Amino acid sequence: DTVLTQSPALAVSLGQRVTISCRASKSVSTYMHWYQQKSGQQPKLLIYSASNLKSGVPSRFSGSGSGTGFTLTIDPVEADDIANYYCQQTNELPYTFGPGTKLELK
Amino acid sequence: EEQLVESGGGLVQPGRSLKLSCLASGFTFSNFGMNWIRQAPGKGLEWVASISSSSSYIYYADTVKGRFTISRDNARNTLYLQMTSLRSEDTALYYCARQPVARGTAFDSWGQGVMVTVSS
Repeated sequence: DTVLTQSPALAVSLGQRVTISCRASKSVSTYMHWYQQKSGQQPKLLIYSASNLKSGVPSRFSGSGSGTGFTLTIDPVEADDIANYYCQQTNELPYTFGPGTKLELK
Repeated sequence: EEQLVESGGGLVQPGRSLKLSCLASGFTFSNFGMNWIRQAPGKGLEWVASISSSSSYIYYADTVKGRFTISRDNARNTLYLQMTSLRSEDTALYYCARQPVARGTAFDSWGQGVMVTVSS
């Protein structure tokens, strides 16, 4: 199975630029996606195929990477962005998710 | 706007069965692959099962293989998850999610989830 690793938590200030990383145990090409999950809500797709912004998602979100290293950047961070962020690979089955990164306010 | 609405959850004893449903609307259901994903209380996301648009391809996580069955009825725009031999570790919020048909696509729309609690 492809194991995805993320930092458990990040503390940020509003207006700051923040980068959330995701590392895969083997190459997933660009079949990496990012989801945002706010408390009590279902996950929502932000970025698909490493760097493509889903329609309707604010342009302050961006993604990059390929192979085994990926990043999700939020610039600038707004209060509405406080949430958990998950990366997911669909390069191979079983599909796997990272453990999530909790974005917190300083 | 596309919408996915799960139902059928509840409290069930260990070893018993439960069937979840996911009703789709606002898009052509038969054109999309579908998935079940679960999230145990306070935990992360775990992919459970996947079914292709025409039910030709079905896959399961090892944790549920042999106990859970994913199926769909395209005429009724509904996805199902039949769960048998339930265990306490199956306790979770179960989401259905849509997946466009193509290599390596993301889950681009999710339901609000339905809670399954396995306890005596």
